Amino acid sequence: QLQLQESGPGLVNPSETLSLTCSVSGGSISSSAYYWGWIRQPPGKGLEWIGSFYYSGTTYYNPSLKSRVTISVDTSKNQFSLKLSSVTAADTAVYYCAREPTRNYYVDYWGQGTLVTVSS
Amino acid sequence: QLVLTQSPSASASLGASVKLTCTLSSGHSSYAIAWHQQQSEKGPRYLMKLNSDGSHNKADGIPDRFSGSSSGAERYLTISSLQSEDEADYYCQTWGTGIRVFGGGTKLTVL
Repeated sequence: QLQLQESGPGLVNPSETLSLTCSVSGGSISSSAYYWGWIRQPPGKGLEWIGSFYYSGTTYYNPSLKSRVTISVDTSKNQFSLKLSSVTAADTAVYYCAREPTRNYYVDYWGQGTLVTVSS
Repeated sequence: QLVLTQSPSASASLGASVKLTCTLSSGHSSYAIAWHQQQSEKGPRYLMKLNSDGSHNKADGIPDRFSGSSSGAERYLTISSLQSEDEADYYCQTWGTGIRVFGGGTKLTVL
């Protein structure tokens, strides 16, 4: 059974960098069959795609966040990470990690999500 | 620009059927989409992938009451025999080269 588990600080100071990790069990992030990604949801609002990557190194980011986002991979730990720099209150959201089938890039599996609040 | 449009809200009675709509932007009528359900205070759940010809592949465990269909740039999610647990937000999602897009979501109220 695939499991995706987000982890990281629940509170981040404004102007600092938000860092989250997604731990994957029951599947390999090195699989050629999937992309992996991050999506967020501000309180009371809709879903926003942040970025996705393929184990070979191909990475795509939302153009509106691209200048502040980095997604990295640790295949030895079967984990991938999100870094979002220069955060403001507008980055307060539940952050989800997710799996996407290759060539059809919809989310077919969601993590449970983790709330990150940006506040001093 | 690839955009998905959803009505903000819909309602239907317990036991009835409801059809939710997701509209693809001009020039993208051949795109497939996915439907996701988000119940209150929970994370989203993938329901199905829906192709432009109306064929769809549901996720494991999704009841037969959920079905998808397509017409032109419109993609539909029909829920029959509505149950109280179907009250949720429903999001559509599509994708292009290097991009993924979500619709704004439809809040379904079961009366």
